[in-house]
Amino acid sequence: GQNIDQPTEMTATEGAIVQINCTYQTSGFNGLFWYQQHAGEAPTFLSYNVLDGLEEKGRFSSFLSRSKGYSYLLLKELQMKDSASYLCAVRPFVSSASKIIFGSGTRLSIRP
Amino acid sequence: GAVVSQHPSRVICKSGTSVKIECRSLDFQATTMFWYRQFPKQSLMLMATSNEGSKATYEQGVEKDKFLINHASLTLSTLTVTSAHPEDSSFYICSAGGGAQKAKNIQYFGAGTRLSVL
Repeated sequence: GQNIDQPTEMTATEGAIVQINCTYQTSGFNGLFWYQQHAGEAPTFLSYNVLDGLEEKGRFSSFLSRSKGYSYLLLKELQMKDSASYLCAVRPFVSSASKIIFGSGTRLSIRP
Repeated sequence: GAVVSQHPSRVICKSGTSVKIECRSLDFQATTMFWYRQFPKQSLMLMATSNEGSKATYEQGVEKDKFLINHASLTLSTLTVTSAHPEDSSFYICSAGGGAQKAKNIQYFGAGTRLSVL
């Protein structure tokens, strides 16, 4: 089976830094994704990791360790608009056109 | 701008009617598209993989006769919820890979369709 775990909820303060962790156990691995989803809207792509290490994109960074089945999303200089759900997803199969499996999502609340 | 277009964004229908949802890749060809369902405060659940020119692949527990998928062209997949009932009320979202013009490995999502069955 495929299993992706992430915390259900997190709270952080505006201007601060927050790290959202994700662990996975899947039958294979061909990339890990992070998406942001605001309530009532579709997910928007944030990052993609297929090799170990840190990928930085503006205020958002994503890290991957394939040997540990572990990733995190780091959000810096938090803004109120960052309040959303953050979805970790894994593509277990080789083909880049194959399905991706989502974790249950982490609801992040930003307080002033 | 959006790379995947989904219509309609909102549907309200009576129980027993059928509803068709369209998903289009806007500037690339997608041999594979995906359909998800999301209930309030839950994550996305993959329903099926839509394959251009062949039958869709359904996830376990998803009724293929109730959720009809047609992927007749490289830019269009449709999901038809047949004989909809109140328990089918949900947020339905499609996604497609980027194709050659975009990052191929990335799945982009449509805006979603909120279905309410009375």
